[in-house]
Amino acid sequence: GENVEQHPSTLSVQEGDSAVIKCTYSDSASNYFPWYKQELGKRPQLIIDIRSNVGEKKDQRIAVTLNKTAKHFSLHITETQPEDSAVYFCAANSGTSYGKLTFGQGTILTVHP
Amino acid sequence: DAGVIQSPRHEVTEMGQEVTLRCKPISGHDYLFWYRQTMMRGLELLIYFNNNVPIDDSGMPEDRFSAKMPNASFSTLKIQPSEPRDSAVYFCASSFFSFNTEAFFGQGTRLTVV
Repeated sequence: GENVEQHPSTLSVQEGDSAVIKCTYSDSASNYFPWYKQELGKRPQLIIDIRSNVGEKKDQRIAVTLNKTAKHFSLHITETQPEDSAVYFCAANSGTSYGKLTFGQGTILTVHP
Repeated sequence: DAGVIQSPRHEVTEMGQEVTLRCKPISGHDYLFWYRQTMMRGLELLIYFNNNVPIDDSGMPEDRFSAKMPNASFSTLKIQPSEPRDSAVYFCASSFFSFNTEAFFGQGTRLTVV
């Protein structure tokens, strides 16, 4: 089955700096890679996603890049703000059952004012 | 749509008791997922359904766990008998594969087994 590895497990930055979280996946047939943000005590919510026919996608201060050859994808947050502090999860779908998502272990991002 | 609805939000039960968690997916979604979240293991997929049919239950920890989806608008996850190590937040999520595969999560049920 799909295996998703996420790094780092914790990330601490100063407000205004950039933050980068990286994930690798094992199933070369995966074609959908979402990123979820989970604030303390709340549900995971989608912040951005990318499909395998696209190499990069941006939405205001967040962007995701995908390298299919290397089977890794990354989340980039620029001009970080304290409200960006949360746990971020990457995920990849299954190449045999596209509705199934496997999540990375999560990255605790702390943005210091 | 009100989103994915889970009940109860919190459940405290004694070891050995039966626990039933409930989920109402977003109308029209054809995939339903049950996840368990703990600090140690992160977000684990327990089981998922497609059009009410269980597709993959390989994540179900053991026979004490069972899940059903009798119709498109309702699913249950049952633990019998419950044990302290089952304490976790259980999320239900649904998605519409034909449109995209974004999974919408419910608010979760925080289960504490004492």
